[in-house]
Amino acid sequence: EAQVTQNPRYLITVTGKKLTVTCSQNMNHEYMSWYRQDPGLGLRQIYYSMNVEVTDKGDVPEGYKVSRKEKRNFPLILESPSPNQTSLYFCASKDALRDTQYFGPGTRLTVL
Amino acid sequence: SQQGEEDPQALSIQEGENATMNCSYKTSINNLQWYRQNSGRGLVHLILIRSNEREKHSGRLRVTLDTSKKSSSLLITASRAADTASYFCATDRSNDYKLSFGAGTTVTVRA
Repeated sequence: EAQVTQNPRYLITVTGKKLTVTCSQNMNHEYMSWYRQDPGLGLRQIYYSMNVEVTDKGDVPEGYKVSRKEKRNFPLILESPSPNQTSLYFCASKDALRDTQYFGPGTRLTVL
Repeated sequence: SQQGEEDPQALSIQEGENATMNCSYKTSINNLQWYRQNSGRGLVHLILIRSNEREKHSGRLRVTLDTSKKSSSLLITASRAADTASYFCATDRSNDYKLSFGAGTTVTVRA
């Protein structure tokens, strides 16, 4: 089954404790991205990756890092999380032929 | 920055009625897409309309695009309780590889 998976689905952590949210897709898509969703603001893009070893900033990259060492994986790293990073995070991969994105189930992060 | 803005923010209709929501955007686009999100879950792609298209249909969905007004509309005909969700428009811009989402329209279909 074609899908995007994220782990963990829920995470409660404390300020400053480094964390990684994993994202994996099995559709061989080259383009992947991370979004955060906050009430009233819709989805905002954090980072995106056009292919392996190619990443670029989205609209809200501050406080986040990403890496793309393999085509299927695109982890999101919070080196020193802060309470304003409490949010719902979505990973997505893009079918370039159809210009459509497939979203993971989301990771709800709470930073205390 | 947010590219698309949906209107209205919320919509409540009776089962069987049609639901219409609008999206306005600011810069030129390659295409505009509509997604559905059930409460707290991932987004599901509904339909894509390219900048050279004016109208598109998919099942009970009808999307229009007016590039001169930088606006799009999504019509859901004969709504069902299962259509209760948030709907987002997203613009794929001409000069970069970002997909920009609006804040969404929350649709409630009453049985």
